[in-house]
Amino acid sequence: AQSVTQLGSHVSVSEGALVLLRCNYSSSVPPYLFWYVQYPNQGLQLLLKYTTGATLVKGINGFEAEFKKSETSFHLTKPSAHMSDAAEYFCAVTGYSSASKIIFGSGTRLSIRP
Amino acid sequence: DAGVTQSPTHLIKTRGQQVTLRCSPKSGHDTVSWYQQALGQGPQFIFQYYEEEERQRGNFPDRFSGHQFPNYSSELNVNALLLGDSALYLCASSRTSSRGTGELFFGEGSRLTVL
Repeated sequence: AQSVTQLGSHVSVSEGALVLLRCNYSSSVPPYLFWYVQYPNQGLQLLLKYTTGATLVKGINGFEAEFKKSETSFHLTKPSAHMSDAAEYFCAVTGYSSASKIIFGSGTRLSIRP
Repeated sequence: DAGVTQSPTHLIKTRGQQVTLRCSPKSGHDTVSWYQQALGQGPQFIFQYYEEEERQRGNFPDRFSGHQFPNYSSELNVNALLLGDSALYLCASSRTSSRGTGELFFGEGSRLTVL
């Protein structure tokens, strides 16, 4: 079985500051990990994913995440926040055998201060 | 190229009623998954349809049922509505070849309010 824990339901940073959204996972099989973003009144959009290979994954809009097996973490970062980054972010996990039955965390709302 | 489309976008029902939500997948996609997103929560997996059959199911009661049509579109039906069924219902589509890699494309959802 898989599960995801997102630390911090709300994160606020200043424009231009580092963004760090935390995600820890639990999986009984090698995991595939994802970050999705949800803007107000919209569906979810895939930001980035880790399946196999390189543990540092780059996504859209300047975001990246690093898979750390020893820490069971997959934190999302962006060096410099932009006002347009304000949204809800969801970490998610699946195992290959789960064939895209993706389990989502409870989400972190990112606010950007001018 | 149209993405995932869902209808209706908003609807209000009363307890005990039944509701049907509809989803058209992205062009070229053959797998449809449904999620329930309660206010302030992450999406919860309801079930997944492929080749017109339910392939996987989350922890939802039998009041939740679905269907997939030959053109890959899908319906979600909820019977005997409860107040707790109020949520945003998201449809996500994918291609068979990507089912294990999370390439889900989401619609904007159907917001259901049960009074």
